[in-house]
Amino acid sequence: GENVEQHPSTLSVQEGDSAVIKCTYSDSASNYFPWYKQELGKRPQLIIDIRSNVGEKKDQRIAVTLNKTAKHFSLHITETQPEDSAVYFCAVRTDSWGKLQFGAGTQVVVTP
Amino acid sequence: ETGVTQSPTHLIKTRGQQVTLRCSSQSGHNTVSWYQQALGQGPQFIFQYYREEENGRGNFPPRFSGLQFPNYSSELNVNALELDDSALYLCASSSTGLNTEAFFGQGTRLTVV
Repeated sequence: GENVEQHPSTLSVQEGDSAVIKCTYSDSASNYFPWYKQELGKRPQLIIDIRSNVGEKKDQRIAVTLNKTAKHFSLHITETQPEDSAVYFCAVRTDSWGKLQFGAGTQVVVTP
Repeated sequence: ETGVTQSPTHLIKTRGQQVTLRCSSQSGHNTVSWYQQALGQGPQFIFQYYREEENGRGNFPPRFSGLQFPNYSSELNVNALELDDSALYLCASSSTGLNTEAFFGQGTRLTVV
C-alpha cells in the first residue's frame, strides 16, 4: 500500500521567515496531494492541494510543489505569522474514491 | 466552516462497550470516509462509504463497522471497545471523481476507560 513520510516532525521559525515541509510517497499511481492544517482540538482544514498533472500551485503565502519523478511534494509558507502555528499534514490519494493516506504531521511553531 | 457535522463531540465509554458515532455529509457529496486520529499522529483511514455500500477499508478489525443512509449521512460503530480505541474520529465527505476535495467534520473525541 501507499506509504507517506513527512519531514520534519517539528519546525520552529521566526516570524517573517519561510517554512518548508516535505513529503515523500511510494505509489506512482498517486494523483492528488492535499495539505491540511490542524489547530489544537480542531478539524483538519484543507489549505492547498495539487493534482498530478501540475508541478506547482500557489495561493498567497502558501505554495506546493510536486516532483512526480522523485515522488515528493513540499509545502512552502512564506512570511510566516504566529497564526500559522499548527500541525500540518500532507496526504496522498491513489484512486478516485477519496481515500487519503496521511503523513505523520509537522508541528510548526512561529515565534514573534 | 465545512458543511460536515459530527455527533457527539465528546464521548466516554467503558472497555467492552459499544459506541455509535454519526456524520452528516456536506450537501452534494455522496461519499463519506472515516478516519481515526490517535494523539500526536496523522489520521488513519478506517473505511469509506459510497451510495450506502462500503467502498474500501483500511487496516481495522471487523468490530469497526459502518453504515451510510440514503441521504449520504453515515454512522461508525465500534464494538467491544478497547483502551487503544481512544482517539479523535473524523469523518470526511467528498464526491467521487478525480477532481474532488475531502472536507472534514470537527470530529468526535472518544475516550475509553
